[in-house]
Amino acid sequence: LAKTTQPISMDSYEGQEVNITCSHNNIATNDYITWYQQFPSQGPRFIIQGYKTKVTNEVASLFIPADRKSSTLSLPRVSLSDTAVYYCLVGDSGAGSYQLTFGKGTKLSVIP
Amino acid sequence: NAGVTQTPKFQVLKTGQSMTLQCAQDMNHEYMSWYRQDPGMGLRLIHYSVGAGITDQGEVPNGYNVSRSTTEDFPLRLLSAAPSQTSVYFCASSYGGTSTDTQYFGPGTRLTVL
Repeated sequence: LAKTTQPISMDSYEGQEVNITCSHNNIATNDYITWYQQFPSQGPRFIIQGYKTKVTNEVASLFIPADRKSSTLSLPRVSLSDTAVYYCLVGDSGAGSYQLTFGKGTKLSVIP
Repeated sequence: NAGVTQTPKFQVLKTGQSMTLQCAQDMNHEYMSWYRQDPGMGLRLIHYSVGAGITDQGEVPNGYNVSRSTTEDFPLRLLSAAPSQTSVYFCASSYGGTSTDTQYFGPGTRLTVL
């Protein structure tokens, strides 16, 4: 089962760098790791995706070690508008068919 | 491009009533799915479809039915609503159903079952 595990919540002050780690011990060889952001009363939206090493876009960076059993989402210099729930997503073949299952997410609270 | 649309935004049902949550996408995506979101539980997959005429069960399918007669639409039916189905429901679509495909979510339907 390619289930994911993340911290339930994190607090950070404005301007700090935030790192959220997700463990996915049973990730399949060809699976990518994708992170989504969800604001209250909205659906999740794509942030970043990677397969290995490091990926960076205008919003975040994603670090994936060589064994790919975990990944770390890095948000540089967070602001109040980054307060949201962050989910990592990998595929899951445990039920006999391939499914996309989200974890419980990490609630990030940015403090002024 | 409207993306993924869901109706209604809010709904209150009495136990035993039935209803259909509507989901539509205009991106010609083959893969569509339904999730429910409860406090502290994250997003749990109810049903999904890899194309018109093909559906399959997710983690929590009991109490829900789906069908996919067209590429655009993927309605979720509650045949006999129960208080345990009180939740926020999100529909999503993507080009394919793999981890490389970006999932596009609708705005959600907040359902309360009394």
